[in-house]
Amino acid sequence: SYELTQPPSVSVSPGQTARITCSGDALPKQYGYWYQQKPGQAPVMVIYKDNKRPSGIPERFSGSISGTTVTLTLSGVQAEDEADYYCQSADNNDTWVFGGGTKLTVL
Amino acid sequence: QVQLVQSGSELKKPGASVKVSCKASGYTFTNYAMNWMRQAPGQRPDWMGWIATNTGNPTYAQGFTGRFVFSLDTSVSTAYLQISSLKAEDSAVYYCARYSESHGMDVWGQGTTVTVSS
Repeated sequence: SYELTQPPSVSVSPGQTARITCSGDALPKQYGYWYQQKPGQAPVMVIYKDNKRPSGIPERFSGSISGTTVTLTLSGVQAEDEADYYCQSADNNDTWVFGGGTKLTVL
Repeated sequence: QVQLVQSGSELKKPGASVKVSCKASGYTFTNYAMNWMRQAPGQRPDWMGWIATNTGNPTYAQGFTGRFVFSLDTSVSTAYLQISSLKAEDSAVYYCARYSESHGMDVWGQGTTVTVSS
């Protein structure tokens, strides 16, 4: 079955830049999406279609794609950004898949 | 404002059934598909499938066939997930999320915790 691979954890100091990667063979053909999930809360979309930001999401959140990897970049990380981040995409059979998640720790 | 409001937590015994509701407001219900996800404690969300809100046609992901049923009541802009013959491993938080081609799964419900225990 199709898999999206994320690093389990990323740590960054406040004000620094955090980058979270997500790798999958179908990503050149299928859009990538990113969600932020804080403990006890529902996921919130922060990036859609690789690099588009939903209304209400701060500009410090950005997305990019290179080959089979999509990357979520948080510029000027704030303490409130500490959360789990999940990437999502579809396989070639239009089945949605989530990555294993990355825990972002703000030191 | 656009929101999806789900029904409250459920505690069920093994073998019982549960029906989770997801009520939409702030947008035209039939303009967006509805997806369902399951998230076990400490795990990633798993996509369960989706239902076309304009036709009622459901699509179930692998591993979510047989005991899982998606349904709608468009008169009250509500989607439902019913799970029958509950097992302990069905204990999880269940989420609904609307979907469009233009914006993906951009709005999620707050989640419904289903606990299956004797």
